[in-house]
Amino acid sequence: EVQLVESGGGMVKPGGSLRLSCAASGFTFTNAWMSWVRRAPGKGLEYVGRIKSKTDGGAIEYAAPVKGRFTISRDDSKNTLYLQMNSLKTEDTAVYYCTTHHQYWGQAILVTVSS
Amino acid sequence: DVVMTQSPLSLPVTLGQPASISCRSSQSLVYSNGNTYLSWFQQRPGQSPRRLIYKVSDRDSGVPDRFSGSGSGTDFTLKISRVEAEDVGVYYCMQSTHWPFTFGPGTKVDIK
Repeated sequence: EVQLVESGGGMVKPGGSLRLSCAASGFTFTNAWMSWVRRAPGKGLEYVGRIKSKTDGGAIEYAAPVKGRFTISRDDSKNTLYLQMNSLKTEDTAVYYCTTHHQYWGQAILVTVSS
Repeated sequence: DVVMTQSPLSLPVTLGQPASISCRSSQSLVYSNGNTYLSWFQQRPGQSPRRLIYKVSDRDSGVPDRFSGSGSGTDFTLKISRVEAEDVGVYYCMQSTHWPFTFGPGTKVDIK
C-alpha cells in the first residue's frame, strides 16, 4: 500500500523557516517524481514545485510565488522528500501535500505563518 | 502561465442525475509527444485530493465508471453519469503539460 506521510508543519512568524518532510513507502521511491502542492484557506489547489527522479536527471522546478525561498530535495536512502521553506510570508499559510505523479497524496500538513 | 478556467464554479445536483463540469485552458495542452496532460481531481471535505482522470480520459484504478473525461486541445469535460451522495466535494482540473503546472479554481458539487 502506498503511503505518504507529511510532518514538520506548525506555526511560524513571518520571515521564519520550516522544513516539511514526506516519508514514502509502498512504491519505488527512487524512480518517483515527487511534488508539493498546497491549499491556502478558502482557496484552491496551487502547485509549489516538483523534483524528478535522479535517474531522470533530478531536475527541480518551482512555482513563481516560492522560487528563491523554498527548496525541494530528496533523500532516496530514506525514501523521504523535503520542502525547506525560508523567508515565510503570511500568504504561505496553507495545508501542504506531497504527491507522487499526482496519483498518490499525503494526508496534508498545516503551515501557519502569523505574527 | 497556463490559465485554467472551470464552469460552473458551483454545481447543485440531484441524486441519480448526471452532472458535467467544463475546464478550459488558455493554450493547447498537447505535449510534444502527442499526449495531453489534463487531469481531474476530487477533493471531499476534510480529505486529500484524489485523482479521478488523467491524460484527459484515462480513469484511475478504483474510480467508479460513472466518472468520465473527454475533450482535446483547450476544452475538456468531466461527466458524472449518475450523481451519488459520496460525490459531494470540490473538483479540480489540472494541466501538467506546461510548467508551472496549474489547477482550475475548482467546482463545488453538492446535493440539491
